[in-house]
Amino acid sequence: RKEVEQDPGPFNVPEGATVAFNCTYSNSASQSFFWYRQDCRKEPKLLMSVYSSGNEDGRFTAQLNRASQYISLLIRDSKLSDSATYLCVVRSGGYQKVTFGTGTKLQVIP
Amino acid sequence: GAGVSQSPRYKVAKRGQDVALRCDPISGHVSLFWYQQALGQGPEFLTYFQNEAQLDKSGLPSDRFFAERPEGSVSTLKIQRTQQEDSAVYLCASSSSRTGGNSPLHFGNGTRLTVT
Repeated sequence: RKEVEQDPGPFNVPEGATVAFNCTYSNSASQSFFWYRQDCRKEPKLLMSVYSSGNEDGRFTAQLNRASQYISLLIRDSKLSDSATYLCVVRSGGYQKVTFGTGTKLQVIP
Repeated sequence: GAGVSQSPRYKVAKRGQDVALRCDPISGHVSLFWYQQALGQGPEFLTYFQNEAQLDKSGLPSDRFFAERPEGSVSTLKIQRTQQEDSAVYLCASSSSRTGGNSPLHFGNGTRLTVT
């Protein structure tokens, strides 16, 4: 079983839709969580950190459920520019090893 | 520099050749990671440095892969006797934190290696 698992998608949604991605992690000692965005043939870029109480950044909301070991990302009012692969990232261990999920591909359709 | 810099951007190697990939992290960043990303997959961990110390090399796929960061800044990933399965994008990332905290990784543009 992979340490961080995501549904690879693709998720094809119309502009303006709300879409949610989930990610599960296996290491219960994991300490920090992030969502990264990766455009085709580009490097991953930080979208947002995920805090225990949940956090929001504009149209994006991230949630953490430690008991069930999953993280979610909600995107409201999808834009064409949101089309990308969204990577779930977990930091754990003594030196904070960083592990990526395989990514979930989102395609927003006009 | 302002960001993580990797070179070369593209590298084509014939099977059996040795290659060296360079990463120049953000100045002052303690942590440095190397990842391998195959097409359609997420980045897979290769190795981790804290300053000049290589604390984890558990992700290196074989003994043909070797990484170093001798002065705690620039790092080099070397692949000896390249094979076709080594074809991938190699990403370097740096982070300011040593342990703990919520410090994210900052990635370079990557080196796209193609072994023919």
